[in-house]
Amino acid sequence: EAGVAQSPRYKIIEKRQSVAFWCNPISGHATLYWYQQILGQGPKLLIQFQNNGVVDDSQLPKDRFSAERLKGVDSTLKIQPAKLEDSAVYLCASSRDQTPWETQYFGPGTRLLVL
Amino acid sequence: SQQGEEDPQALSIQEGENATMNCSYKTSINNLQWYRQNSGRGLVHLILIRSNEREKHSGRLRVTLDTSKKSSSLLITASRAADTASYFCATDAKGGSRLTFGEGTQLTVNP
Repeated sequence: EAGVAQSPRYKIIEKRQSVAFWCNPISGHATLYWYQQILGQGPKLLIQFQNNGVVDDSQLPKDRFSAERLKGVDSTLKIQPAKLEDSAVYLCASSRDQTPWETQYFGPGTRLLVL
Repeated sequence: SQQGEEDPQALSIQEGENATMNCSYKTSINNLQWYRQNSGRGLVHLILIRSNEREKHSGRLRVTLDTSKKSSSLLITASRAADTASYFCATDAKGGSRLTFGEGTQLTVNP
């Protein structure tokens, strides 16, 4: 089966600019996650969707980050305006359901550099 | 803050040797998982161990869990160059809904 798709793979922007990332999960997976992984650290959950509803966005910096999954399939994550500390890899993952022990399948990530 | 902390931060061994990495966590958990991340295949799930299990095997992987010490270990036997990657433990806390990853151990297997 096809894996989780993400685009773009790399993005370089200047601070205060905006950027958007796209994710298409594995077909049939109800749960979609966005993680931020700063260099040298483990992934940190930003937001979790179950179908098109938000399950957990407690760690999403809502003053600058937003995400949507309008039709319960693909999703976009936006940063506006970007700060230097947003430089990281943004990983999208999906799973069959929202139980935390369900295996999560990760995409290749989008590497963001904010100058 | 991260729930899990891996030890050591970096490990370098020769092909054929065994590699052991440890994970400690802070709160009571339902399950603990190990993931591997390398540049070729991204972040991949390796194994899950439930809080009522003490040991689990999968191929060359052996995971132990000691809930009294809030720690887990991952043993990779007969390591190969292809095992070179970062290894993360991830926990889901009792009463929680999210998976929390540790900082990771960078394993280098030299041919």
